[in-house]
Amino acid sequence: GAGVSQSPSNKVTEKGKDVELRCDPISGHTALYWYRQSLGQGLEFLIYFQGNSAPDKSGLPSDRFSAERTGGSVSTLTIQRTQQEDSAVYLCASSFSAGVSETQYFGPGTRLLVL
Amino acid sequence: EDQVTQSPEALRLQEGESSSLNCSYTVSGLRGLFWYRQDPGKGPEFLFTLYSAGEEKEKERLKATLTKKESFLHITAPKPEDSATYLCAVQANTGGFKTIFGAGTRLFVKA
Repeated sequence: GAGVSQSPSNKVTEKGKDVELRCDPISGHTALYWYRQSLGQGLEFLIYFQGNSAPDKSGLPSDRFSAERTGGSVSTLTIQRTQQEDSAVYLCASSFSAGVSETQYFGPGTRLLVL
Repeated sequence: EDQVTQSPEALRLQEGESSSLNCSYTVSGLRGLFWYRQDPGKGPEFLFTLYSAGEEKEKERLKATLTKKESFLHITAPKPEDSATYLCAVQANTGGFKTIFGAGTRLFVKA
């Protein structure tokens, strides 16, 4: 069975451009999480989905960040008008359901560099 | 504010030299504490979940313990392949399923 996949694996963009990052969770997993990891730092929670709804958007750094999930599967994280401080690795994880006993399985991440 | 602090930032060991990594946490009611391993260029890999003080879990050379304020990841007789960053994370009872991570401990094991 395939694990969590993310695309693109690397993205270089210019300041001010919009970017879309994609996450394909493990089939059958209803919960999906987005995190950001800056160089040498731990993971920063951004948002999680249970099905298609996002009960907790508190981690989104600004209104330039948005995320959606359709069909209870693929999710897209969109960053508008990118800034240099948005440069980081964006990690996606999925779990069977949203619960503390449910293991989160992580994808390999998308490395975003904003010039 | 819920917070996770890991120490040391980096740890260098000789093969076979046992040691412990620390994770101190402050949460408004602990729902669960997690340990992950992260290799360079990869996403974190789940190791353990601990739910209540006094709980212990083991996997090969790793043993995780939990108190009301901190968790330890004990590494017994480490091997070079144990070299990685070890991340600690928590979920609070009042935070939905938001997971808060520490900055990690980078472990280097030399043969």
